[in-house]
Amino acid sequence: SSELTQDPAVSVALGQTVRITCQGDSFRTYYANWYQQKPGQAPILVIHGENNRPSGIPDRFSGSISGNTASLTITGAQAEDEADYFCHSRDINTKDFVFGTGTKVTVL
Amino acid sequence: QVQLQESGPGLVKPSETLSLTCTVSGASISSSTYYWGWIRQPPGKGHEWIASFYYDGSTYYNPSLKSRLSISADSSKNQFSLRLNSVTAADTAVYHCARERAGTDAYEMWGRGTMVTVSS
Repeated sequence: SSELTQDPAVSVALGQTVRITCQGDSFRTYYANWYQQKPGQAPILVIHGENNRPSGIPDRFSGSISGNTASLTITGAQAEDEADYFCHSRDINTKDFVFGTGTKVTVL
Repeated sequence: QVQLQESGPGLVKPSETLSLTCTVSGASISSSTYYWGWIRQPPGKGHEWIASFYYDGSTYYNPSLKSRLSISADSSKNQFSLRLNSVTAADTAVYHCARERAGTDAYEMWGRGTMVTVSS
């Protein structure tokens, strides 16, 4: 099955911009969805499809794809953005859902 | 407000069957608008899609789990369930149920998850 690979951890200064990447062949065909998860809480969908934000998600969150890499960008990171973020797409061969390995974002 | 709540034993013995139920409030599992699914996250690892179902009875299983897996729904209780048999320590994980809006491939609503440990 396809694998979606993410950096384990990134840090960002308060108010600065951070890009979280997810690599995989899936993105040559499918979009990426991105989720935010804080300890003990349910994951929250922050970006889906081409670059769509569900209601209530701040516009500092945006998504993009280039080649086999999907990116989630937080422009002007806030303290409340400190969380784990993981990507989600489909296996390019089987069409089954696959998830990324997750990235822990620390806001300094 | 839509809520999904997982329930089931927190401890299962090796070789036995793991059974979990997701109770949905604020939305109907019989709606054609949504798919309903199970996802798990083993400790220290990434998430893994387990299975999905649609109101018309269609089911979709992760091929790596399919031989041990079944999902079912009880529309009268607005619940859907997961059964995974012959469990091993590798099945230890937080299990989430979630809702996917049809046509989006995205899980727009998740339950908080329930930790299941496989141990004797």
